[in-house]
Amino acid sequence: NAGVTQTPKFRILKIGQSMTLQCTQDMNHNYMYWYRQDPGMGLKLIYYSVGAGITDKGEVPNGYNVSRSTTEDFPLRLELAAPSQTSVYFCASSYSPVEGEKLFFGSGTQLSVL
Amino acid sequence: AQTVTQSQPEMSVQEAETVTLSCTYDTSESDYYLFWYKQPPSRQMILVIRQEAYKQQNATENRFSVNFQKAAKSFSLKISDSQLGDAAMYFCAYRTGGATNKLIFGTGTLLAVQP
Repeated sequence: NAGVTQTPKFRILKIGQSMTLQCTQDMNHNYMYWYRQDPGMGLKLIYYSVGAGITDKGEVPNGYNVSRSTTEDFPLRLELAAPSQTSVYFCASSYSPVEGEKLFFGSGTQLSVL
Repeated sequence: AQTVTQSQPEMSVQEAETVTLSCTYDTSESDYYLFWYKQPPSRQMILVIRQEAYKQQNATENRFSVNFQKAAKSFSLKISDSQLGDAAMYFCAYRTGGATNKLIFGTGTLLAVQP
């Protein structure tokens, strides 16, 4: 059981470039999330999805886009990369929000924008 | 808006000793969940322990336990018999209300375990 898989693990972008961070889960979870973790800080929610075709903004959505065409996949798109987007990005999933069910996290993507 | 504060950027403990990590939060909700996550150098986020706000009894998971003080909005983590493998960044997190399971994280406490 792979859990939550993120690719790539590392990436360097130039300012203005675009890229997609991939996230897939094989647990049939309805809820998926994208967080970013800046150095010395906690995780902040970028976007989340409660099911295929449904997405919503989190705390820090500017500069990002998401889509959820299938239950398994939840890609995060950076259209015009900026140095402020240098961070570690985590994808997470859960089956439902009932009873404070735990989140399953991927291993993160380290992104540097230079 | 809810906030989570971890006032100890770094802590150190001797192997086999006990250490307590502090966390306070601010909320106007009455029903919520609190979590402690561990992040070792591998970056993997690992759930350590979970507390339901409606439960008065403090949660315990093996060597890990919490001191949940709802009125004071305090949620500290106690690690007993510390092991070298406990060395990591520890994040306190608050689950917001509603049907989304969104988490608000503190800034973390880096725990070092001395042999």
